[in-house]
Amino acid sequence: GIQVEQSPPDLILQEGANSTLRCNFSDSVNNLQWFHQNPWGQLINLFYIPSGTKQNGRLSATTVATERYSLLYISSSQTTDSGVYFCAVLNTGNQFYFGTGTSLTVIP
Amino acid sequence: DAGVIQSPRHEVTEMGQEVTLRCKPISGHNSLFWYRQTMMRGLELLIYFNNNVPIDDSGMPEDRFSAKMPNASFSTLKIQPSEPRDSAVYFCASSSGTNYNEQFFGPGTRLTVL
Repeated sequence: GIQVEQSPPDLILQEGANSTLRCNFSDSVNNLQWFHQNPWGQLINLFYIPSGTKQNGRLSATTVATERYSLLYISSSQTTDSGVYFCAVLNTGNQFYFGTGTSLTVIP
Repeated sequence: DAGVIQSPRHEVTEMGQEVTLRCKPISGHNSLFWYRQTMMRGLELLIYFNNNVPIDDSGMPEDRFSAKMPNASFSTLKIQPSEPRDSAVYFCASSSGTNYNEQFFGPGTRLTVL
């Protein structure tokens, strides 16, 4: 199956700081999603982004499928951004995999 | 829209008992997914339905697990008999179209098997 690796595994930010989370995948993908799992366990859909760039408020994401990576940018971080960020990919064999996640803590 | 609805939110049971988890997808969505999340294995896809038909059940761990989707607005995941290693959070997600389009997750059911 496809390998989906996220970095960094853990990140601590001061409120107001910016950050970039990375998702690398080992094979071609047909789609890619970013999720935020909040401290209460809820999985929230952030971006559906098989390629290109999208922005939603303080968050934006870029996927370069030909180079097998995606980036999630968080600007002006807030304590409510804390949680785990997952990317998930669908490979060409129609198998869906979640990455290992980046655990983000934003401190006031 | 109410989003994906799952019940119960928490379930505590004893080893050997039957457990049934329920999911109501977002109205109009025709794909439904069941996932399991544990500390050891992360998020794993168990089974995927499209138009009420199971398309990929390769993630179902063993015969003790079964899933059904009798209609477009309801699905169940059953574990019989349950074992302590089944303890996990079980998520249901739904999407429109086919082929793992943008998925929306329910709140999850936290299952504890004693």
